[in-house]
Amino acid sequence: KQEVTQIPAALSVPEGENLVLNCSFTDSAIYNLQWFRQDPGKGLTSLLLIQSSQREQTSGRLNASLDKSSGRSTLYIAASQPGDSATYLCAVPVGGGADGLTFGKGTHLIIQP
Amino acid sequence: ETGVTQSPTHLIKTRGQQVTLRCSSQSGHNTVSWYQQALGQGPQFIFQYYREEENGRGNFPPRFSGLQFPNYSSELNVNALELDDSALYLCASSWRLAGGGTDTQYFGPGTRLTVL
Repeated sequence: KQEVTQIPAALSVPEGENLVLNCSFTDSAIYNLQWFRQDPGKGLTSLLLIQSSQREQTSGRLNASLDKSSGRSTLYIAASQPGDSATYLCAVPVGGGADGLTFGKGTHLIIQP
Repeated sequence: ETGVTQSPTHLIKTRGQQVTLRCSSQSGHNTVSWYQQALGQGPQFIFQYYREEENGRGNFPPRFSGLQFPNYSSELNVNALELDDSALYLCASSWRLAGGGTDTQYFGPGTRLTVL
């Protein structure tokens, strides 16, 4: 059974800092990994999808890396802004022929103005 | 291109009742997935539908059932509601890839279900 762990559970940093969020998964037989953002009480917004054949994916100030063999992914946020405050979730396919996603519990990020 | 929509936004039911939640997929997507998110937790996969058939299910009992319609809209039905069913229910639509698996999943805003 696929399990996803995200570290840290919460993070509070001053505006302007670069930061790294970590995600690990137990079954490396994945075909992609997604990072999402969730604002309080809202749905999820897809940030980045990395295919298993890729090692990195970039969108604006966000960069996600994937090391499939070690079961790890990182989300790098450059020059953080107060608007980046949200919960960040990573997700991988559940496996076993099903295409649903298994999520971590997320990292709750607060960027202090 | 329209996004994923869900209805209703909020719903209050009592224990033992039945509920139907609705989802309209993003234009062009042929796969819909449903998730349950308890407070402070990540979403948990309930099931997925592709071409109107269930295509994978998480660890949820049979009283959680679904339908996908030819226009790719979808319903989640929950029978015999329990207090622990109180959660945010999310649907996500995506495009099933030729070799299996799905591309980026796009989520709706969710339905907040409270069971009293």
